[in-house]
Amino acid sequence: EADIYQTPRYLVIGTGKKITLECSQTMGHDKMYWYQQDPGMELHLIHYSYGVNSTEKGDLSSESTVSRIRTEHFPLTLESARPSHTSQYLCASSFNEADTQYFGPGTRLTVL
Amino acid sequence: GDSVTQMEGPVTLSEEAFLTINCTYTATGYPSLFWYVQYPGEGLQLLLKATKADDKGSNKGFEATYRKETTSFHLEKGSVQVSDSAVYFCALTVYNQGGKLIFGQGTELSVKP
Repeated sequence: EADIYQTPRYLVIGTGKKITLECSQTMGHDKMYWYQQDPGMELHLIHYSYGVNSTEKGDLSSESTVSRIRTEHFPLTLESARPSHTSQYLCASSFNEADTQYFGPGTRLTVL
Repeated sequence: GDSVTQMEGPVTLSEEAFLTINCTYTATGYPSLFWYVQYPGEGLQLLLKATKADDKGSNKGFEATYRKETTSFHLEKGSVQVSDSAVYFCALTVYNQGGKLIFGQGTELSVKP
């Protein structure tokens, strides 16, 4: 079983709030990823990291930002949440590129 | 660009029926291919994978063979159970492209007793 954790699992907040979605893994993986899953189920990469102090934007444009100060931790922040940010956010990690990615349970975010 | 196309759902089957979910891909490099499964309210779990042509991935009675000539990776199971009800995603990743997974649109499977 993969050791990758996300908190909170569910979050309902009002427009304009700042939020941080937490993701941590205990597998020592260098590569970490954030995917956004829309209600139609499709998943799109929004951020990824090759290691500490490395962050890159993914294919889907996102107003969120990420940081990678520690290998095991890859938080995602929204400075000012809007209803259009309502979605499920999935964090993943892998040992190498093209290796299996292990996913956390996801955070379902609703912005009112 | 790289892409994955899956058979559209939802798919509804009776218990013990045969399952096929079609998946085809386009890739500029030599991809690794994956099937992930998502149960309600959960994240994605790796179901099986194949990293080179003619490889067969298998797990929990599911199988898929990497067919380079037809650029396909169809998922099959001989006898489905109610507990197999979930959303299934075909995906690929290509080395030297950041390791990102490119997903198909997902196929929802519902198995009735």
